[in-house]
Amino acid sequence: TQLLEQSPQFLSIQEGENLTVYCNSSSVFSSLQWYRQEPGEGPVLLVTVVTGGEVKKLKRLTFQFGDARKDSSLHITAAQPGDTGLYLCAGSPQGGSEKLVFGKGMKLTVNP
Amino acid sequence: DTGVSQNPRHKITKRGQNVTFRCDPISEHNRLYWYRQTLGQGPEFLTYFQNEAQLEKSRLLSDRFSAERPKGSFSTLEIQRTEQGDSAMYLCASSLGWYNEQFFGPGTRLTVL
Repeated sequence: TQLLEQSPQFLSIQEGENLTVYCNSSSVFSSLQWYRQEPGEGPVLLVTVVTGGEVKKLKRLTFQFGDARKDSSLHITAAQPGDTGLYLCAGSPQGGSEKLVFGKGMKLTVNP
Repeated sequence: DTGVSQNPRHKITKRGQNVTFRCDPISEHNRLYWYRQTLGQGPEFLTYFQNEAQLEKSRLLSDRFSAERPKGSFSTLEIQRTEQGDSAMYLCASSLGWYNEQFFGPGTRLTVL
């Protein structure tokens, strides 16, 4: 059972558009990561957020951790074809487990 | 700068055969994780090592699966008597433990015919 729900699951947009991906749960996470994965490759870490309400920026990507540490969002400004990929959120459930729990991911296609 | 490496990258086997995968973590990382990812899903946790000790195992890890990390460095994942349902991408990750930030290898794609 996936504890993290991502929406939308698929998105196809034109170059230059903005988008937001959501990652929601009823559980509290001690930290949350966002990864990007290309077909046939492993996930590549983009960011880690640990404090409720935290906002981090990575060039055109803005990540936010919810105040209650149950949800997160990823906003991409002026998307480019190179942003195409699968975006995964993953969290460490509060309570000491070392495993990461992943959402199903959001498959993004940016058309030139 | 070497990241996590996994070998082989691809493995095709017949049902009933045994397979073994290797993972070499980032050198100073004491934590090592195995995950499995099927099409359309996010990775699912299989097992976790801190140094050479296997500290956590998922219920997904049936008795046909065994993982080792004998010297606290590289790890192996063996699947005995493979089944078609074992076809998946097997991912290894390593971490220093800081906020459970895990770095993944490229994965091993297993196809069971």
